[in-house]
Amino acid sequence: AQSVAQPEDQVNVAEGNPLTVKCTYSVSGNPYLFWYVQYPNRGLQFLLKYITGDNLVKGSYGFEAEFNKSQTSFHLKKPSALVSDSALYFCAPGGYQKVTFGTGTKLQVIP
Amino acid sequence: DTGVSQNPRHKITKRGQNVTFRCDPISEHNRLYWYRQTLGQGPEFLTYFQNEAQLEKSRLLSDRFSAERPKGSFSTLEIQRTEQGDSAMYLCASSTVEGSPLHFGNGTRLTVT
Repeated sequence: AQSVAQPEDQVNVAEGNPLTVKCTYSVSGNPYLFWYVQYPNRGLQFLLKYITGDNLVKGSYGFEAEFNKSQTSFHLKKPSALVSDSALYFCAPGGYQKVTFGTGTKLQVIP
Repeated sequence: DTGVSQNPRHKITKRGQNVTFRCDPISEHNRLYWYRQTLGQGPEFLTYFQNEAQLEKSRLLSDRFSAERPKGSFSTLEIQRTEQGDSAMYLCASSTVEGSPLHFGNGTRLTVT
């Protein structure tokens, strides 16, 4: 079984400041971990993934995520937020077959 | 890469009617997924195909829902005797191998009146 928790419904950050969107997961065995983004009235887009190797994963649009096995966390980060980053972000652990999505965190970047 | 295509984009139907949605995955992708998303929620897993084999189906899915992928290419999702609670965005996604990212279509928005 696999599950995921995104504890914050919304994160507000000022443009230019660093941002963090939190995610904790539960997966049997070695996890595949993904982050997806959904812009208003658009489909979900893949941002980045962790399968194995370096705990810091870099992805699209300057985003990165840090895998922490002991804390079962996979937080999404970006050093400097842009207004255009405002969207809904989903953490998604995946096993052999299905991928389970969290409830999402709305990121609001304030100009 | 033409992306995942879903049709129709919108469907409005009356309660009790049957509806069918179509998904055309990226051509070389052998894995196909259906999800349902309601406003303010994350996508909820419905079912998964590898080629033409339906390998997993959510226990949340009632017998009114059925999906097929007859030749391992496009897939259809049918909802029989629709209910107002079925109103949602139905998302299709495809991928290649285990651990590869899902590529999503733009979804079919179903409204049951």
